Amino acid sequence: SAVISQKPSRDICQRGTSLTIQCQVDSQVTMMFWYRQQPGQSLTLIATANQGSEATYESGFVIDKFPISRPNLTFSTLTVSNMSPEDSSIYLCSVEDRGGGDTQYFGPGTRLTVL
Amino acid sequence: GIQVEQSPPDLILQEGANSTLRCNFSDSVNNLQWFHQNPWGQLINLFYIPSGTKQNGRLSATTVATERYSLLYISSSQTTDSGVYFCAVADRGSTLGRLYFGRGTQLTVWP
Repeated sequence: SAVISQKPSRDICQRGTSLTIQCQVDSQVTMMFWYRQQPGQSLTLIATANQGSEATYESGFVIDKFPISRPNLTFSTLTVSNMSPEDSSIYLCSVEDRGGGDTQYFGPGTRLTVL
Repeated sequence: GIQVEQSPPDLILQEGANSTLRCNFSDSVNNLQWFHQNPWGQLINLFYIPSGTKQNGRLSATTVATERYSLLYISSSQTTDSGVYFCAVADRGSTLGRLYFGRGTQLTVWP
């Protein structure tokens, strides 16, 4: 199974600032996904990031607020821009292990608190 | 998108008890996974099970795709089983790899 790391693991940020979250995978993967988990809630997909193309955003999420980069097959970043307290969540990246039957594996998450 | 409903929302058990968690989904799926989110927020993949039955130690899962439900069985529960259990599915018409998550079952196991 893929091993995924995320940085930072947690952060406390001021309203109006931006935070970039990094996701690193130990193997090359075609698709990477970014999810948000608001406090006490389930996971919601923000966008799908494919290497060499623009990210595909889910309804309710826009590129200006959550710009994503995917410079190679093992790395992606998600930026949370112009943050407000409503952005306080856990942000998780995941990858699909096609060799494991489309199983998705998740990184440890980034716990963001916006004051 | 596809709807995923999990029950019960909360479950409190004494150590050693058995439990069954249920996941109902509203459409045909080509991917169904069970995850355990531990108290630190880490999501751990338990089963990839779009159909059939699998077992891993004290855990087992069964998906009846034709009836659109999946069950997760936990036997001889331990305090380390505490956390939230999520069911997630991908439907055949959705973006490749996109998972829809249920609201989860919060499991608390007391010693």
